[in-house]
Amino acid sequence: DQQVKQNSPSLSVQEGRISILNCDYTNSMFDYFLWYKKYPAEGPTFLISISSIKDKNEDGRFTVFLNKSAKHLSLHIVPSQPGDSAVYFCAASAAQGGSEKLVFGKGTKLTVNP
Amino acid sequence: KAGVTQTPRYLIKTRGQQVTLSCSPISGHRSVSWYQQTPGQGLQFLFEYFSETQRNKGNFPGRFSGRQFSNSRSEMNVSTLELGDSALYLCASKPETLFDRGNTEAFFGQGTRLTVV
Repeated sequence: DQQVKQNSPSLSVQEGRISILNCDYTNSMFDYFLWYKKYPAEGPTFLISISSIKDKNEDGRFTVFLNKSAKHLSLHIVPSQPGDSAVYFCAASAAQGGSEKLVFGKGTKLTVNP
Repeated sequence: KAGVTQTPRYLIKTRGQQVTLSCSPISGHRSVSWYQQTPGQGLQFLFEYFSETQRNKGNFPGRFSGRQFSNSRSEMNVSTLELGDSALYLCASKPETLFDRGNTEAFFGQGTRLTVV
């Protein structure tokens, strides 16, 4: 039972355009959501997060939107740059007894073409 | 500040052997989690340690175990290796205090690539 789903395995966009990566979740107990970026042979790098009490969080070129009623979040990258080409993982957590594990989607491979 | 360090980076083992992977968290981080990444299943949570105690555990068989030392360094062990255990094993550490127990990002190491032949 996959609680966090990234339905698009890959996405290709032109440099300078907007990249939109989507993520859906099923567990209504999730209260914190994160996006990680991963290059080959490296560990995931934290990108941006959002708490369930917010519907938007912005950091430079990266904005995450959360729609709790639809159990959906998205990551917008504007403008996209070739260096953004990587695999992007959506993750969610539900604090339980002071500990939370991250539940990850399977990732979306973003390719930004020059 | 040094990041999360995992050793070794690469490992080749044969079926039936056991393996121990090591993780040194960022200085001051007391929470250490382990994840398994495979092409088919993505990133899956193995377990989390905090102050030398296992605080959370994923759905993996008992062949997978771990521990944390007083300096927060952690090890994970896989016994009786199977071909399906071939994966990238990632360790992540988190800063944590009584006041921000949740909702903090985890910092990942580069991982240990385990190949079972």
